[in-house]
Amino acid sequence: EVQLVQSGAEVKKPGESLKISCKGSGYSFTSYWIGWVRQMPGKGLEWMGIIYPGDSDTRYSPSFQGQVTISADKSISTAYLQWSSLKASDTAMYYCARRVRVGIVATTGENYYYYMDVWGKGTTVTVSS
Amino acid sequence: DIQMTQSPSSLSASVGDRVTITCRASQSISSYLNWYQQKPGKAPKLLIYAASSLQSGVPSRFSGSGSGTDFTLTISSLQPEDFATYYCQQSYSTPPDTFGPGTKVDIK
Repeated sequence: EVQLVQSGAEVKKPGESLKISCKGSGYSFTSYWIGWVRQMPGKGLEWMGIIYPGDSDTRYSPSFQGQVTISADKSISTAYLQWSSLKASDTAMYYCARRVRVGIVATTGENYYYYMDVWGKGTTVTVSS
Repeated sequence: DIQMTQSPSSLSASVGDRVTITCRASQSISSYLNWYQQKPGKAPKLLIYAASSLQSGVPSRFSGSGSGTDFTLTISSLQPEDFATYYCQQSYSTPPDTFGPGTKVDIK
């Protein structure tokens, strides 16, 4: 069974650092992108960025570039999301998800589509003084 | 970045109703559009990818259509377990793979 298991809830103070994790199993971890998605309390989904564990190629949403760091350790099939100095506004649920690429043949040739098919249960991060 | 909008932002419906949710992109995204369902306290679940391809295991009452800038998610006969929030997502111009703001479907 394909699974992504995320680390447990965190309660931190403003200014502290934090690294949360997402461990994949049941598939070739190095062959799929892993994405991170933020959901602030009562709000919608925000795409933060992705990493390809095979070569650590990382892409960020402009909204999150410089605010967080995404990394991965392929030897233990784990992706990470980290902050160097948390703010109260970082309080949210953070999901990791496997990002799949699928090729679909059309009359014009083959097109490649991306979607997130397997999700972790989420890690709650609370930042409060 | 490509901006995504959804309408309505919320709707009330009864079991058995046909429900339609619309998603619009700020520029053409061809068929690079996914739909997700999220229930309270749970992670999102993929329903539809590439605008109209049903994810394995998703009931056939869910369907997606559209291309270019306008897309639709249809639930042909709403079931009790379908009360949730639905999000569209574009993957045409990445990063980011932008999500729409969501449409909450609740019980009338």
